[in-house]
Amino acid sequence: DARVTQTPRHKVTEMGQEVTMRCQPILGHNTVFWYRQTMMQGLELLAYFRNRAPLDDSGMPKDRFSAEMPDATLATLKIQPSEPRDSAVYFCASGLATGNEQYFGPGTRLTVT
Amino acid sequence: KQEVTQIPAALSVPEGENLVLNCSFTDSAIYNLQWFRQDPGKGLTSLLLIQSSQREQTSGRLNASLDKSSGRSTLYIAASQPGDSATYLCAVRSSGSARQLTFGSGTQLTVLP
Repeated sequence: DARVTQTPRHKVTEMGQEVTMRCQPILGHNTVFWYRQTMMQGLELLAYFRNRAPLDDSGMPKDRFSAEMPDATLATLKIQPSEPRDSAVYFCASGLATGNEQYFGPGTRLTVT
Repeated sequence: KQEVTQIPAALSVPEGENLVLNCSFTDSAIYNLQWFRQDPGKGLTSLLLIQSSQREQTSGRLNASLDKSSGRSTLYIAASQPGDSATYLCAVRSSGSARQLTFGSGTQLTVLP
């Protein structure tokens, strides 16, 4: 049963610390999306990769956020330094560039105190 | 910029009732529209996907319709059950190279036994 996996599932950290979230897309998928969900803003796209290349990261605060795909099986989202306003659930989704659906991971719930 | 609105924000119905959830979007240049279900503290589960050339899709007790010209979609749930209680999210995938998903804020459904 192929699915997107994300680690960690929960992360509590102090303001100023570095946070790294990881995502393993479904094998064979060549597009990866990072979304952030908060009560106030709902689901927002942060970054989008196709064939490991970033195509759109306009939704991401560049000064503290960075997203990479070191290889086809791993996508990372890093926040340095973290701030309390970064507290949210971060979802990764994958799909096929030629396909239609995006398949979501379970999310990483981040709390920055 | 695409904007997606869902009405109502919350809905409570007795078990067995048929119900309709509404979604509207501002830019009709879409690739497809997807309905998701999100349970509390969980990720997103894709329910139905409608291509821009289609009018409706059905899966079990769920039926989703799309009227692209008016910028509207509805999700019809027949014979609702307590297990249908969740937040239902509508997401529009825009045309063009990015094809990112723009989400509505969701409708929180409670089906009372």
